[in-house]
Amino acid sequence: RKEVEQDPGPFNVPEGATVAFNCTYSNSASQSFFWYRQDCRKEPKLLMSVYSSGNEDGRFTAQLNRASQYISLLIRDSKLSDSATYLCVVNRSGATNKLIFGTGTLLAVQP
Amino acid sequence: DVKVTQSSRYLVKRTGEKVFLECVQDMDHENMFWYRQDPGLGLRLIYFSYDVKMKEKGDIPEGYSVSREKKERFSLILESASTNQTSMYLCASSEGGQNIQYFGAGTRLSVL
Repeated sequence: RKEVEQDPGPFNVPEGATVAFNCTYSNSASQSFFWYRQDCRKEPKLLMSVYSSGNEDGRFTAQLNRASQYISLLIRDSKLSDSATYLCVVNRSGATNKLIFGTGTLLAVQP
Repeated sequence: DVKVTQSSRYLVKRTGEKVFLECVQDMDHENMFWYRQDPGLGLRLIYFSYDVKMKEKGDIPEGYSVSREKKERFSLILESASTNQTSMYLCASSEGGQNIQYFGAGTRLSVL
């Protein structure tokens, strides 16, 4: 089983739609969780951290479910510019500085 | 803004050549990382450094070495390039004790 698993997609959605991605992680001792965004042929960039209480940044909402070991990202009112690959990222247990990256979920927002 | 700069965007090398990939960060970060990214496999950690002259193997160190002589610079070395090292190489840095990593633009290496 992969340490971080994501549905690779693609998720093809129309502009204005709401879309949600889930990610599961295998190590229950992980403490830090993030969503990164990666545009085609570009580097990953931090989208948002994921906190236990859930957090929101504009149209983006991230949730953490420790009991089921999954993280979600909800995007409301999708824009064409949201088209990218979204990487679920979890810290390695016992290694605060090292991260494990999921293989990403591809989102394509259609006009 | 954090800036992580990789010396080359694209490189083409021949099998058996020694290859140097350079990475420089300007935020005085303690930690620096080298990853490779391949379709379907995601980002895989090659090497990690948490201080000058300190290094730690990642998940796939075979065929690679690293050098960190100065805090701001972390070099990845392919001692004898092979075709299976054709990949996108990404450098990242983070503050000591912090998880958030900042990436360079990547080097797309082709080994022929």
